[in-house]
Amino acid sequence: AQSVTQPDIHITVSEGASLELRCNYSYGATPYLFWYVQSPGQGLQLLLKYFSGDTLVQGIKGFEAEFKRSQSSFNLRKPSVHWSDAAEYFCAGDDPNNAGNMLTFGGGTRLMVKP
Amino acid sequence: KAGVTQTPRYLIKTRGQQVTLSCSPISGHRSVSWYQQTPGQGLQFLFEYFSETQRNKGNFPGRFSGRQFSNSRSEMNVSTLELGDSALYLCASSATNEQFFGPGTRLTVL
Repeated sequence: AQSVTQPDIHITVSEGASLELRCNYSYGATPYLFWYVQSPGQGLQLLLKYFSGDTLVQGIKGFEAEFKRSQSSFNLRKPSVHWSDAAEYFCAGDDPNNAGNMLTFGGGTRLMVKP
Repeated sequence: KAGVTQTPRYLIKTRGQQVTLSCSPISGHRSVSWYQQTPGQGLQFLFEYFSETQRNKGNFPGRFSGRQFSNSRSEMNVSTLELGDSALYLCASSATNEQFFGPGTRLTVL
């Protein structure tokens, strides 16, 4: 069965520190991969996506993610965290062999930022 | 372009009732997907509609249904509401493989 796993439920970092959020996937073929951010009571905003090609992808708000096939991972990184980055982050996958859109989400990682 | 809109934003119902939620996609997007978000189960895919046809379906009981109109607007319906249906229901629209989400409808079942 297809799955996406985010091992860390909560992460706390100091403002200005670097950030890495982990994401692992289990799919038959390399999935399309996405990172979304959700602020309290809001919908999901797409940070970045990976379909194929360059394994390091750049997104909005200074985020980047690296696809590593050997580790079945797609970790999200940011060099310097701002207090406004506090939110919940979701990694998601979609099977490229399936017609249409059907995201499988990880459980989410809640990021807290210390002043 | 206007984003994905969902109405209503908040809804309170009692057990046994039914509810209809509405989603208007981004102009030009023909795919609309629905997701349920709960603290216990996280984000789960309900179904996807494309050109008025259900293209994908998640593992939810038949009480959950949807439809899509010729203008791509979509509705989802939940009949015989249960307490466990309390959730944030998110709609997403897409033109390709990238989905854009609306703000959601918060459904509370009492």
